[in-house]
Amino acid sequence: QKEVEQNSGPLSVPEGAIASLNCTYSDRGSQSFFWYRQYSGKSPELIMSIYSNGDKEDGRFTAQLNKASQYVSLLIRDSQPSDSATYLCAAYHEGGGNKLTFGTGTQLKVEL
Amino acid sequence: ETGVTQSPTHLIKTRGQQVTLRCSSQSGHNTVSWYQQALGQGPQFIFQYYREEENGRGNFPPRFSGLQFPNYSSELNVNALELDDSALYLCASSVGLSYEQYFGPGTRLTVT
Repeated sequence: QKEVEQNSGPLSVPEGAIASLNCTYSDRGSQSFFWYRQYSGKSPELIMSIYSNGDKEDGRFTAQLNKASQYVSLLIRDSQPSDSATYLCAAYHEGGGNKLTFGTGTQLKVEL
Repeated sequence: ETGVTQSPTHLIKTRGQQVTLRCSSQSGHNTVSWYQQALGQGPQFIFQYYREEENGRGNFPPRFSGLQFPNYSSELNVNALELDDSALYLCASSVGLSYEQYFGPGTRLTVT
């Protein structure tokens, strides 16, 4: 069983719509969660971090965390073509190098 | 503020050869983590360096080794290259052992 799971997509949404990206994790010891955006051929860019249950908003992005359900999501409001990218969910594990464990990513396509 | 830098950008090596990849951490960051990202996959944790010591290691063989220097820059060395080592190698820096890691542009390694 993969430690962090994401639907690979592609997820297609029209411009201006809300994109909803989901992620589940298996390790209940995971403490913190991150969303990275990765454009094709580029490196991951940190866009959101969330540490406690509930919602965290930053501009057009909202991250949601439910530790009881082991579920993390990212909402992108007013989606733009420039949001088209792969979104990687990562869970932080303390100990063993404080590593980030990544999912395989969800490809988002925002259509005009 | 200077971001994470990596060199070289691209590299082509032959199976059995050795390679050294370099990373300079973001200004103010003293911890460096290395990841391997195969095509279509999320980054996989290789190891982390903190205060010039290896602070944890992922599931990679001993032919993957590294160093961190007093100025917090780091090297990743891979011996006896195999075809499956072809990937994007990512360096991420952070402040101490804090959760948020910021990636450099990566080095694309091709092994033929």
